[in-house]
Amino acid sequence: GAVVSQHPSRVICKSGTSVKIECRSLDFQATTMFWYRQFPKQSLMLMATSNEGSKATYEQGVEKDKFLINHASLTLSTLTVTSAHPEDSSFYICSAPFVTGAHETQYFGPGTRLLVL
Amino acid sequence: GDSVTQMEGPVTLSEEAFLTINCTYTATGYPSLFWYVQYPGEGLQLLLKATKADDKGSNKGFEATYRKETTSFHLEKGSVQVSDSAVYFCALNTGNQFYFGTGTSLTVIP
Repeated sequence: GAVVSQHPSRVICKSGTSVKIECRSLDFQATTMFWYRQFPKQSLMLMATSNEGSKATYEQGVEKDKFLINHASLTLSTLTVTSAHPEDSSFYICSAPFVTGAHETQYFGPGTRLLVL
Repeated sequence: GDSVTQMEGPVTLSEEAFLTINCTYTATGYPSLFWYVQYPGEGLQLLLKATKADDKGSNKGFEATYRKETTSFHLEKGSVQVSDSAVYFCALNTGNQFYFGTGTSLTVIP
């Protein structure tokens, strides 16, 4: 089946540094990918929609300059957390839709655990 | 706006017990409905889905029926196993955006 990978799976960084998270669709192309953030014991929150070849669409309340998204190719989207702070510590998950005919299934990456010290 | 309301956990069951996790939704149009499962230390995995009213999604002994009249998509399993211990998320997709419930933690004890 379709697979979405994320790298790194876990990252620890110092406050003020930037962290890049990659999301790849391994065996299918995705013109759109989604980035979510999951807080402990809470649901996923959609942060933004990554669009290949154009600007990402951000959800209300998500800082565009803080969370930079680049959809570099049909199989890769990156999320860069700039000037990270402890409150940015979270579990970040991406997903990509896999379309076969009229059916679409959303496949999720395994997630990236970010800890900002 | 569109939303998903999910039964709060945590839920603790003995092995072979019957499981129901309630999920209701609010949406305009005709959304697709999903159940995702998150095992400890792992990302979300699609468990089952239903794309239109009266559809029943099923996988690994889990079932859920898309009920438009009650706007529900309750997850059921007749006999749970210890390996079913995980967090379960109900979700809906309207067009190209997902809305998730808060997740229900399930622990199955031997």
